[in-house]
Amino acid sequence: DAGVIQSPRHEVTEMGQEVTLRCKPISGHDYLFWYRQTMMRGLELLIYFNNNVPIDDSGMPEDRFSAKMPNASFSTLKIQPSEPRDSAVYFCASSFTVRGGYTFGSGTRLTVV
Amino acid sequence: KNEVEQSPQNLTAQEGEFITINCSYSVGISALHWLQQHPGGGIVSLFMLSSGKKKHGRLIATINIQEKHSSLHITASHPRDSAVYICAGQNPPPDTDKLIFGTGTRLQVFP
Repeated sequence: DAGVIQSPRHEVTEMGQEVTLRCKPISGHDYLFWYRQTMMRGLELLIYFNNNVPIDDSGMPEDRFSAKMPNASFSTLKIQPSEPRDSAVYFCASSFTVRGGYTFGSGTRLTVV
Repeated sequence: KNEVEQSPQNLTAQEGEFITINCSYSVGISALHWLQQHPGGGIVSLFMLSSGKKKHGRLIATINIQEKHSSLHITASHPRDSAVYICAGQNPPPDTDKLIFGTGTRLQVFP
């Protein structure tokens, strides 16, 4: 397995634009997590899914953020409209059952100018 | 509310030294994770443990449930071990899906 695959690796966009981050979890993993990492706040959980169903989105900072998981092999995190304070590294991670350990993607470094 | 604290925040060592990074948490957890992140890189899961000790190569992780404390040890450290090491507590039921992250320990190993 190629691991958790995120795209793009880097994204630079202008304030106000829509940004879509993508994640392909490891096949067979039933949990998918979206995290955000900043220097100030470290790693924060944004939202997670179990069997494609959103379980907890309490970490999503605002309505500008939305996430979907239309099937077991794909998830998106969308920011619309983007703002400079959204600049961060966004990680996707997947796991098999909650006790199975986590596999992280390489992250998407987002810069909003 | 569970909080996870790591020490030290920054650590420098000479190649070959034995290194210890500490992690303490305030509330009982179901499991504790150690993660490694190289500069500009992704996050790698090193260990997940709920009791005792685990070893992988030169890395050893221990946990003391009663004292709410875990340690990550690196034996015979090498410059390639330079990275940020993050511990994360996995909440007990019913919130077991969530990880609470420490702020990380930045390790630099010099040749």
